[in-house]
Amino acid sequence: EPEVTQTPSHQVTQMGQEVILRCVPISNHLYFYWYRQILGQKVEFLVSFYNNEISEKSEIFDDQFSVERPDGSNFTLKIRSTKLEDSAMYFCASSEDLVSNTEAFFGQGTRLTVV
Amino acid sequence: DAKTTQPPSMDCAEGRAANLPCNHSTISGNEYVYWYRQIHSQGPQYIIHGLKNNETNEMASLIITEDRKSSTLILPHATLRDTAVYYCIKTYSGGYQKVTFGTGTKLQVIP
Repeated sequence: EPEVTQTPSHQVTQMGQEVILRCVPISNHLYFYWYRQILGQKVEFLVSFYNNEISEKSEIFDDQFSVERPDGSNFTLKIRSTKLEDSAMYFCASSEDLVSNTEAFFGQGTRLTVV
Repeated sequence: DAKTTQPPSMDCAEGRAANLPCNHSTISGNEYVYWYRQIHSQGPQYIIHGLKNNETNEMASLIITEDRKSSTLILPHATLRDTAVYYCIKTYSGGYQKVTFGTGTKLQVIP
């Protein structure tokens, strides 16, 4: 069964450092998403990406965040200068285009710990 | 503001049917009801969705009322592996699948 894969599974970084979280969406999918979940809280939408540009973003997705599809398979989330409050699970998801009945497929997440 | 209501927690005995209710204060004619679950801290997993007819797949059944504001997810024979947080979401089917998660129902399956 096709799946969304995320690397690394756990990333520890020092406050102020840049991190890049990587995702490989399902190959024929064209919509990509990032979500985050702070420990004990609900899953929050960050951003969606389609046709090489951001289609929607939440108020959480400020200037320190960016997304990129550097090649035909990867989808990345960059946090420029990490803060302690960026510590969370980050989930990547993808969905098909132009399909009447579809769903979002989520990866297993990257646990980001900012120290 | 539109509101989705789910009980915060439920228990179910292993092997019994788990019936998880959901209410939407409003739902438009082209919005679908989707159910996802999150087992521990894993990535959310799609379960089932429907528009107005009842639906069944290999994981669950979905019952939607005529006014479509209420739905019930049925896990026919709950196992310990079904212990998870279950989310009821309304969204548009097809293509763009932004999922807006609420607090969901924490289902505990008891041996």
